[in-house]
Amino acid sequence: DSGVTQTPKHLITATGQRVTLRCSPRSGDLSVYWYQQSLDQGLQFLIQYYNGEERAKGNILERFSAQQFPDLHSELNLSSLELGDSALYFCASSARDSPYNEQFFGPGTRLTVL
Amino acid sequence: EDKVVQSPLSLVVHEGDTVTLNCSYEVTNFRSLLWYKQEKKAPTFLFMLTSSGIEKKSGRLSSILDKKELFSILNITATQTGDSAVYLCAVELASSEKLVFGKGTKLTVNP
Repeated sequence: DSGVTQTPKHLITATGQRVTLRCSPRSGDLSVYWYQQSLDQGLQFLIQYYNGEERAKGNILERFSAQQFPDLHSELNLSSLELGDSALYFCASSARDSPYNEQFFGPGTRLTVL
Repeated sequence: EDKVVQSPLSLVVHEGDTVTLNCSYEVTNFRSLLWYKQEKKAPTFLFMLTSSGIEKKSGRLSSILDKKELFSILNITATQTGDSAVYLCAVELASSEKLVFGKGTKLTVNP
């Protein structure tokens, strides 16, 4: 158990809908990262937040957005869902006070878009 | 474009064998290289390598980084069925702290 929690574990929805995935980082970690893992693309970095502010952006679609709240939990919002958005979405956290970036992953949310 | 390539994509061995997994990278601004093990769920952290030539070891697993040749290897000795997993290599970029992942090596250890 990494200490990172994600809810829900599974989500099944229809095309065109909007969903919100939630992540709570390990206690004391200020950085939260979101990743998408699909069979053909592997793990793809989406976005990073540090202490409430966006720090880095990866291959995140405009239909997706995220935020990190004052209590450091983060939410990833996916809208106008398409079949191709079906994937495992991971959240990871890291402690920024170490010089290097060891990320710990949550259990993931499996999103299925029908 | 930042790129991490792992080989082989898939490997099937017998218990007791030794395996070597490869990871090569081409990135703009290297900070560290990380290895993760992914079974059915989330990737779990194995090693972080920042300096060339220094081996990191944990039980039967070890890893080394060559920053000149831009690659790393992960060795697993005396493999066990519990080692069956996808092993992911990732490079952290100094400029943005993001991790760029390879597509992984799927290791299957048969009894």
